[in-house]
Amino acid sequence: DAKTTQPPSMDCAEGRAANLPCNHSTISGNEYVYWYRQIHSQGPQYIIHGLKNNETNEMASLIITEDRKSSTLILPHATLRDTAVYYCIVRTNTDKLIFGTGTRLQVFP
Amino acid sequence: GAGVSQTPSNKVTEKGKYVELRCDPISGHTALYWYRQSLGQGPEFLIYFQGTGAADDSGLPNDRFFAVRPEGSVSTLKIQRTERGDSAVYLCASSLMASFNEQFFGPGTRLTVL
Repeated sequence: DAKTTQPPSMDCAEGRAANLPCNHSTISGNEYVYWYRQIHSQGPQYIIHGLKNNETNEMASLIITEDRKSSTLILPHATLRDTAVYYCIVRTNTDKLIFGTGTRLQVFP
Repeated sequence: GAGVSQTPSNKVTEKGKYVELRCDPISGHTALYWYRQSLGQGPEFLIYFQGTGAADDSGLPNDRFFAVRPEGSVSTLKIQRTERGDSAVYLCASSLMASFNEQFFGPGTRLTVL
C-alpha cells in the first residue's frame, strides 16, 4: 500500500482556511486519496475522497496535484469544532484503511 | 438513523482473562471492519467481514484474537488470555458494501488489561 506523509501538527485561527498537506509519492493509478478526521474520544469520521480531480463537499475541498503525488485538504472557514487529528489515506482495491499518525489540527480563537 | 454502536464502551479486565467486544453495524451495511487504536497512534486494521465471512483477517495480531459475524449483522471480537499489551481502543466500522465505500465508525470500546 502507498504510504502517506503528513506534518504532525498545525495551528489555524478560527474563521481562516485550514490547508492540510499530504504527500503520497508512491501512489498507483487506481488508488484513491481519502481523508478522515478523529475528534478526541470519538471514532474517525469520513471527510472526502478523490482520484485525480479536485473534489468539494459540504465539509471540505480536496486538491490533488496533477501528478497525484500530493494533495491538500482545505477547510474553508475553520471553527473550534474542527480541532481534530486529520488522516490522509491512500486506499487500494483492498477494503481496509491504513492510517498513519495524521496531522493534529488545533483551531484557536 | 442509528449509527454504528459498540458495547461496552469501557472494559477493564485482568491479565489472562477472556473478553468479548460487540459491534452493531448500520442496518443494511454488508461490510464490517475492526480496528485497534493505541494511544497516540492511528487506527490499525484487524479484520474485515463481507456478509458472514471474514474476507481479510491479516491484521489479527495472533491466534488469541478471533472475530465472528454469524448472521451477517452483529459482530463480536473475542480476545483470549488477554495481555497488558492488548489495552487499546477497539473500533468497529461498517459500510454499505466493500470496495471504496465510506466507512462509518462507532465510538469504540476502550479495553484496559490490568
